[in-house]
Amino acid sequence: EVQLVESGGGLVQPGGSLRLSCVVSGFTVSSECMSWVRQAPGKGLEWVSVIYRGGDTYYADSVKGRFTISRHSSTLFLQMTSLRTEDTAIYYCARVYADGWYVEYWGQGALVTVSS
Amino acid sequence: EIVLTQSPGTLSLSPGERATLSCRASQSVSSSYLAWYQQKPGQAPRLLIYVASSRATGIPDRFSGSGSGTDFTLTISRLEPEDFAVYYCQQYGTSPWTFGQGTKVEIK
Repeated sequence: EVQLVESGGGLVQPGGSLRLSCVVSGFTVSSECMSWVRQAPGKGLEWVSVIYRGGDTYYADSVKGRFTISRHSSTLFLQMTSLRTEDTAIYYCARVYADGWYVEYWGQGALVTVSS
Repeated sequence: EIVLTQSPGTLSLSPGERATLSCRASQSVSSSYLAWYQQKPGQAPRLLIYVASSRATGIPDRFSGSGSGTDFTLTISRLEPEDFAVYYCQQYGTSPWTFGQGTKVEIK
């Protein structure tokens, strides 16, 4: 059974850093296209970052230079630095079908709150 | 970037009624690479439809998708109580992938 479980969310001050983890079961992250998608309170969905099966990465303009996606064995990571209040959101770990199609599996989400 | 505009913003219907949700793209979506998701409060989204009209595993046949080019539709033939939720479209034909802003289907 495929499962994705995020951890590492919490409250952080503007300018601070946080690392999200997503532990998966039923597959290995290096063999799949993986992504982070976020949702600000009461808002819609936004792609944050993608790591393709071959290792190439994509970042939304809003996080480029501040966030880094990586993977190791059964875990996907999102290192977030220079956090801003507008980064406050639920961050979902997601497995993307093929190498860049639709999200076929979602984690339950991790809440990141950036506030002083 | 392809902008997806969903309409209406909110749809107020009764159980048993038919729901028709629209997703319009700012430019043609390559190969009809469009998906629909359902999201209930406090939950992650769930995949309903991919490649515009293919139902995901386990999705009831009251959900159907159609369209091509720039105009796509999600239809729920007869609303069940568990169908009241927010629905998002997403295109994956052109990078960067983008989501629509969502349509809320609420009980009238």
